[in-house]
Amino acid sequence: AQTVTQSQPEMSVQEAETVTLSCTYDTSESDYYLFWYKQPPSRQMILVIRQEAYKQQNATENRFSVNFQKAAKSFSLKISDSQLGDAAMYFCAYKRTASKLTFGTGTRLQVTL
Amino acid sequence: KAGVTQTPRYLIKTRGQQVTLSCSPISGHRSVSWYQQTPGQGLQFLFEYFSETQRNKGNFPGRFSGRQFSNSRSEMNVSTLELGDSALYLCASSLGTAGGGGNTIYFGEGSWLTVV
Repeated sequence: AQTVTQSQPEMSVQEAETVTLSCTYDTSESDYYLFWYKQPPSRQMILVIRQEAYKQQNATENRFSVNFQKAAKSFSLKISDSQLGDAAMYFCAYKRTASKLTFGTGTRLQVTL
Repeated sequence: KAGVTQTPRYLIKTRGQQVTLSCSPISGHRSVSWYQQTPGQGLQFLFEYFSETQRNKGNFPGRFSGRQFSNSRSEMNVSTLELGDSALYLCASSLGTAGGGGNTIYFGEGSWLTVV
């Protein structure tokens, strides 16, 4: 079974600084998708970024970028120029086609002034 | 384009009762999936429906059931409620087909269920 591990329960970053959230996963498949979701206090799960495993190029979305290391089964999220609105729970998730999302346990990100 | 809509947003039920939650997916999305989120167990997959058929099912007891209608709207039902069923129930939709953006899943705001 696929598993997703987020080893950092909590992280803190100062406003305008850069922070990296870690995620590793375990799978025997070669074709899959990886996601980072943000869950603010409102509890709605918001898609931050996605990565297709067959693409070598790391995905980027404005201030958010990933470091995808397929061989190492690592998928970290880098948030640049952190803003107060970035404070939330961040979940890493794995998915195969026509299959469910498997989530990690989440990392709570605090942004301080 | 409207997002995933879940109703009701908040509800309180008594042990032994049953509850039905509703989810309207993003227009054009044919796959609807349900997840339960609790502090202890995290996010757990309940089931997924695609074109009115259950395509995947998580490891939950038979008290948890769902269905999908021809317009892709979905409902999930929990019978004989237990205190442990108190959770945030998240509905998500996707195109449901392989390739491109078909595998990106978009979530609703969730339905908060409290069982007393």
